[in-house]
Amino acid sequence: KQEVTQIPAALSVPEGENLVLNCSFTDSAIYNLQWFRQDPGKGLTSLLLIQSSQREQTSGRLNASLDKSSGRSTLYIAASQPGDSATYLCAVSQDTGRRALTFGSGTRLQVQP
Amino acid sequence: GAVVSQHPSRVICKSGTSVKIECRSLDFQATTMFWYRQFPKKSLMLMATSNEGSKATYEQGVEKDKFLINHASLTLSTLTVTSAHPEDSSFYICSARLAGANTGELFFGEGSRLTVL
Repeated sequence: KQEVTQIPAALSVPEGENLVLNCSFTDSAIYNLQWFRQDPGKGLTSLLLIQSSQREQTSGRLNASLDKSSGRSTLYIAASQPGDSATYLCAVSQDTGRRALTFGSGTRLQVQP
Repeated sequence: GAVVSQHPSRVICKSGTSVKIECRSLDFQATTMFWYRQFPKKSLMLMATSNEGSKATYEQGVEKDKFLINHASLTLSTLTVTSAHPEDSSFYICSARLAGANTGELFFGEGSRLTVL
């Protein structure tokens, strides 16, 4: 059974810092990996999708990398802003079956102005 | 981008009543939709997979008679919480996959917060 772990569970940084969020998964037979943002009491906003054959994806100040063989992904946020404060969730879908997403428990990010 | 809409966003009901939550894909067709449940400050747990025109597939430990799922069209799936009790209070989120797409990307609704008194 796939298990997804995110470290750290919470992170507080001053505005302007670059930061890295970590995600690891136990079963490397994944179809893709998605990073999401969730604001309190809200749904999920998809940030980046990395297919299993890809190594990284970039969108604006966000860069996500994937090392499938070692079961790791990182989300890099450059020049953090207070508006980046949210919970960041990593999720993977398996390469077989229904390809539902298995989620990590998230990293709660607070960017101090 | 693809938009998934959930309704209602918030619902409060009395214990013993049934509540229906709708999940609609607004600008695309979805043969498969997924229902997740999220407890406070916890991650999302998959409850069931909703397949258009066929029975839903439930995850282990999820009562199918308690959480009724119907996927009657390519744009609508509903989750009915029957005889709701306070322990059913939670945040329910649906997601949908674009029919025919091979990226596997899932799009999520805004979620529905259920409070059972």
